[in-house]
Amino acid sequence: EDQVTQSPEALRLQEGESSSLNCSYTVSGLRGLFWYRQDPGKGPEFLFTLYSAGEEKEKERLKATLTKKESFLHITAPKPEDSATYLCAVQGNNAGNMLTFGGGTRLMVKP
Amino acid sequence: KAGVTQTPRYLIKTRGQQVTLSCSPISGHRSVSWYQQTPGQGLQFLFEYFSETQRNKGNFPGRFSGRQFSNSRSEMNVSTLELGDSALYLCASSPQGISTEAFFGQGTRLTVV
Repeated sequence: EDQVTQSPEALRLQEGESSSLNCSYTVSGLRGLFWYRQDPGKGPEFLFTLYSAGEEKEKERLKATLTKKESFLHITAPKPEDSATYLCAVQGNNAGNMLTFGGGTRLMVKP
Repeated sequence: KAGVTQTPRYLIKTRGQQVTLSCSPISGHRSVSWYQQTPGQGLQFLFEYFSETQRNKGNFPGRFSGRQFSNSRSEMNVSTLELGDSALYLCASSPQGISTEAFFGQGTRLTVV
């Protein structure tokens, strides 16, 4: 059974204070690891898909990296508008398009 | 290009009733998946449809069902509603049979009283 664990559950940062969110996973044959951002009352917004260990992707202040057991979402010099819940999910080779999600990290960036 | 559209956005139902939620995927997308999101359990997979066939099913009781139409639009139905069915129901669409892109709608907030 695929499993995803995210840490920390909540993270408070000052504006400009860089940090990383962790996503640990076990999956029988990784097809892709997804990162999403979710604002309260809204659906998840797609950020990145990573496919293999060593891969990195960037978007504005966000950078996602992948190893064989973990993924990190690095946030550089965050702004208050980066406050949201960040979700990690995996898709296994035998799962169709099913995603298994972690519990998310709730990020709060204070000005 | 329009995104994933879910209707209605909000619903209030009484225990024992049934409810139908609708999802229109992104144009050209043929795979539709449904998820339930609650504060306690997070995002949990309900089922996936591709070309009008259910391809995958999560660990939910038979009260939860769905279908997909020839235009890829999908509906999910929950019968004999329970208080614990209160949740945000999310639909995700993917372009291909097997895809590493999945885009979510805004969800339907169901409250069971």
